[in-house]
Amino acid sequence: ETGVTQTPRHLVMGMTNKKSLKCEQHLGHNAMYWYKQSAKKPLELMFVYSLEERVENNSVPSRFSPECPNSSHLFLHLHTLQPEDSALYLCASSQEGAGGALTDTQYFGPGTRLTVL
Amino acid sequence: GQNIDQPTEMTATEGAIVQINCTYQTSGFNGLFWYQQHAGEAPTFLSYNVLDGLEEKGRFSSFLSRSKGYSYLLLKELQMKDSASYLCAVRDHGDYKLSFGAGTTVTVRA
Repeated sequence: ETGVTQTPRHLVMGMTNKKSLKCEQHLGHNAMYWYKQSAKKPLELMFVYSLEERVENNSVPSRFSPECPNSSHLFLHLHTLQPEDSALYLCASSQEGAGGALTDTQYFGPGTRLTVL
Repeated sequence: GQNIDQPTEMTATEGAIVQINCTYQTSGFNGLFWYQQHAGEAPTFLSYNVLDGLEEKGRFSSFLSRSKGYSYLLLKELQMKDSASYLCAVRDHGDYKLSFGAGTTVTVRA
């Protein structure tokens, strides 16, 4: 148990569906991340929120829409996905250091295994 | 960005030692992390190196050489539960992002 939870753990959706992934961290951290993990590929950073503001958007298609209502919760809204979006989606959190640099270790949730039909 | 290389797979026997190498290229260096990830589970933090040398934590040790752009994770007295994927990640100077290698799958056999 790393202190970061994600729901659902598994999701199967059609290309026309709308769904949302949820992440919650219980570590008192102030930064949260979404990563995509595909088989045999490195983790790809998608979005970063620091103090509830989005500070990174790594050229992610608009069919992925993040939301961070507070420092403990992070959502990823999914709409009109493609089969190649099937992957493990991981959430992580860390504590932003003094001066605005995110220097601490990132702690990961167990991920949501997404399958797009 | 970084170019991070690590072997795809390694196999070892229970009780043995395995060394997982990681090489990286970066314009500025601000730390290297090792994570362990069991199938279907979260990556969990193992170690952090920012200065040259060896960091030891029980059966696991991690080494860093910044001049060579090289690190290794050493797993001693292997146990079956050590079968997992091991991820090397590098952070750039003045940055918060982690760049990950593709991971090394270690299989421990009886």
